[in-house]
Amino acid sequence: AQSVTQLDSQVPVFEEAPVELRCNYSSSVSVYLFWYVQYPNQGLQLLLKYLSGSTLVESINGFEAEFNKSQTSFHLRKPSVHISDTAEYFCAVTPTGYSSASKIIFGSGTRLSIRP
Amino acid sequence: SQTIHQWPATLVQPVGSPLSLECTVEGTSNPNLYWYRQAAGRGLQLLFYSVGIGQISSEVPQNLSASRPQDRQFILSSKKLLLSDSGFYLCASSLAGQTGELFFGEGSRLTVL
Repeated sequence: AQSVTQLDSQVPVFEEAPVELRCNYSSSVSVYLFWYVQYPNQGLQLLLKYLSGSTLVESINGFEAEFNKSQTSFHLRKPSVHISDTAEYFCAVTPTGYSSASKIIFGSGTRLSIRP
Repeated sequence: SQTIHQWPATLVQPVGSPLSLECTVEGTSNPNLYWYRQAAGRGLQLLFYSVGIGQISSEVPQNLSASRPQDRQFILSSKKLLLSDSGFYLCASSLAGQTGELFFGEGSRLTVL
């Protein structure tokens, strides 16, 4: 079985400051890793994903995450945040080899709040 | 890309009343469909998923049921609501083989009084 731990439930930062949202996972099999973002009163949207290949993956709005197999981590980073990044961020993991998303496990979420 | 429509967006129901939340998908055919419940600070819990018409898998025993009467329609129901059924319900879809890439609806917030 897999599990996902998001160590910080809330992260307050000032606008234009860097941010890191931490995610650690445990699994006895190979996994795919994801970050989803949820803006207030909306559903979740896929932000970025690691399936294979380069361990550094990027989103279109400046976020990046690095898959670290030895530390079983997939931390999300952005060098300079904007007010519009205010949202809740969910890390997720799923074992490879399944044709549906029924095995995906979500972390408990990190609420990112940006101060002007 | 896929678009997920959910309704109603907000619902306040008394204990013991029935429930019906509906979800429809546009932009794809034969999707895998999912119902999640989101509780504050606890992430998302998968309730049901479906890989085809009439095929429903339940992940947790509970007071709820799901049905898929058409390829792109997924319904979450209850005959008698409990206080513990309150929460934010999300419908999602994925393409077979696109593991982990879920498309979510806007959610339905249910309050049971």
